[in-house]
Amino acid sequence: ETGVTQTPRHLVMGMTNKKSLKCEQHLGHNAMYWYKQSAKKPLELMFVYSLEERVENNSVPSRFSPECPNSSHLFLHLHTLQPEDSALYLCASRISSRWNTGELFFGEGSRLTVL
Amino acid sequence: AQSVTQLGSHVSVSEGALVLLRCNYSSSVPPYLFWYVQYPNQGLQLLLKYTSAATLVKGINGFEAEFKKSETSFHLTKPSAHMSDAAEYFCAVSPHDINDYKLSFGAGTTVTVRA
Repeated sequence: ETGVTQTPRHLVMGMTNKKSLKCEQHLGHNAMYWYKQSAKKPLELMFVYSLEERVENNSVPSRFSPECPNSSHLFLHLHTLQPEDSALYLCASRISSRWNTGELFFGEGSRLTVL
Repeated sequence: AQSVTQLGSHVSVSEGALVLLRCNYSSSVPPYLFWYVQYPNQGLQLLLKYTSAATLVKGINGFEAEFKKSETSFHLTKPSAHMSDAAEYFCAVSPHDINDYKLSFGAGTTVTVRA
């Protein structure tokens, strides 16, 4: 248990569906991240929120839409996805401060399959 | 800017043998360095971290890593491999910069342990 909870753990959706991934952290962190992990590829940073403000949007297609309503919750809204979007989506959080070592705490991931 | 290179995408060791995973980094500022482990269908778990204190860092599950500035390396070792060490391992680097939110990850090294 890392203190970062992702739901659902598994999701299968068609290309015309709309779904959302949810992440919740119970660690008091002030920065939250979405990463995409595809087979045989390095981790891809998608979005970063710091103090609920988006500070990084790493050239992600608009069919992925993040939302951070407060410092404990992060969503990734999905619509009209493509089969190549099938991957493990990892949420992470950390304390971002002058005195912190900056390690990320990861959730267990949401395995997305797009048919 | 910072980056990480992990040498060898796959390492196979016998149970009881030394595990050595190589990581080289580049960073324009003093870095924080991390090793993470990922078991199948799970998120990344922090093994250990270097934060400019001791150059030899001990982590969980008997792993340790040594920071060598002259070689820009942060190799991970374990004296005696156990079957439970079979997993994927990621090296990551983060700058000492509150305004830089990115942790850069290596491509990962998959470890298999032979009985």
